[in-house]
Formats: sequence, C-alpha cells, structure tokens
Amino acid sequence: QVQLVQSGAEVKKPGASVKVSCKASGYTFTSNSVHWVRQAPGQSLEWMGWINTDNGDTKYLQKLQGRVTISRDTSASTAFMELTNLRSEDTAVYYCARSRAGTSLYLALSVWGQGTTVTVSS
Amino acid sequence: DIVMTQSPDSLAVSLGERATINCKSSQSVFYSSNNKNQLAWYQQKPGQPPKLLIYWASTRESGVPDRFSGSGSGTDFTLTISSLQAEDVAVYYCQQYYTIPPTFGQGTKLEIK
Repeated sequence: QVQLVQSGAEVKKPGASVKVSCKASGYTFTSNSVHWVRQAPGQSLEWMGWINTDNGDTKYLQKLQGRVTISRDTSASTAFMELTNLRSEDTAVYYCARSRAGTSLYLALSVWGQGTTVTVSS
Repeated sequence: DIVMTQSPDSLAVSLGERATINCKSSQSVFYSSNNKNQLAWYQQKPGQPPKLLIYWASTRESGVPDRFSGSGSGTDFTLTISSLQAEDVAVYYCQQYYTIPPTFGQGTKLEIK
C-alpha cells in the first residue's frame, strides 16, 4: 500500500540542525510531489515547503527561507527536510505529505507520514 | 498570504445529527483555468496525522464515507457531516492550495454532545 515512513523523534539544542527523512513506498516516487508541514503543540498546521520529486524544484515558506532545505534521493525513494539554527519555537511534529495526483505544488495532500517530533530545548 | 478562518472553533453535536463547519478565505481560491476551487478538508484525530476528506471543495477522497460532503465556492466553504458517528470526533481543517504558501484554517474541534 502507499505509505510514507518518517525517521524517529529528535531532541536538539538551540542553534543545532535537524534532518528528517521520509521514505515512500507503494508508488512511483517521482510521480507525486512531497510537501513538509509542521504542527506546534496544540496549534494548527503550517506548510513549510515542497519538492517536485521528478526535477528537484523546491519552494519554501518565506519566513523559513535560509533555514530550511528540502531534498530528495530518487534512488532511495526518500525525501528529506533539514532545518538549521533551531529555536524553541521550532518544537513541533513535522509531517511529510504526498500530493494527491502529480508533481504540481497546487494539489491537496492525500498521503501523510506518521510525523516526527522535534524538540528544541537547552 | 491567504488567511483561512474557520467557524466555529469548537462544536458539540449529538450522535446521528448534522454537523456543519464553515471556512472563509481572505481571497477567492477559485482557479478559472481549471474551473475548480482549490480547497481541501482534513480530519485529524489525536496522535494521528491529518487525513484528506475532500478536495476541489466538493470531491470526496476515495474511501471517505458519504456522510461527509463539501460545498461552496470562491471564498466561502462548508464541510457537512450528515449524521454524526462516534468515530467522527476529531479536529477538522480547511486548506487552500490556490497560491503559495498553502495555508490552513485554525481548526474546528468536533465533539459529541
């Protein structure tokens, strides 16, 4: 079945970096784009960025520009999200999600990973 | 950025009754090139990732029960659960994917009365 499996929970100190992986299975990885969405405790969902898994194009939330990098390894059917210079307000559950159909950015998100908890604390 | 505002923030409905959640966008999310509203609804249960219920404002995702329906166009949208079941207790989010960045509503918490 189609699924996205993310890497495990992380605890980081302020100023550190984190890299979360998202391994796809059950479909052709390059046929659907991958988005990253985060959810701070008790809060709504915040879109962070997107990667066209076919050609590698990326788009990021403006306020995260310079701190976030989304990449992919097509041979491993895996997408990655790296966030640098972590702050306490980056504490959240981070989700990868697959676009419903195709590689366009402008699509609903039909398959979600299980989430990765990132805790930033000194 | 397009701001998505849901109402109410929380809602308590009796089992078997209708639940209605509203979502308003700060600008139209109707895309004339494909004649579709770029609006989705998600359900999130505690400790789980969101689940896609509705896309293009009114198209039910495969496997979603037909008691869930979406309506609306332009800036005003509604998610309706026709007959509330116990398993529908969750937080519901609307999302626009008309423009970058895609944005979500604040969520509506649905409980049993």
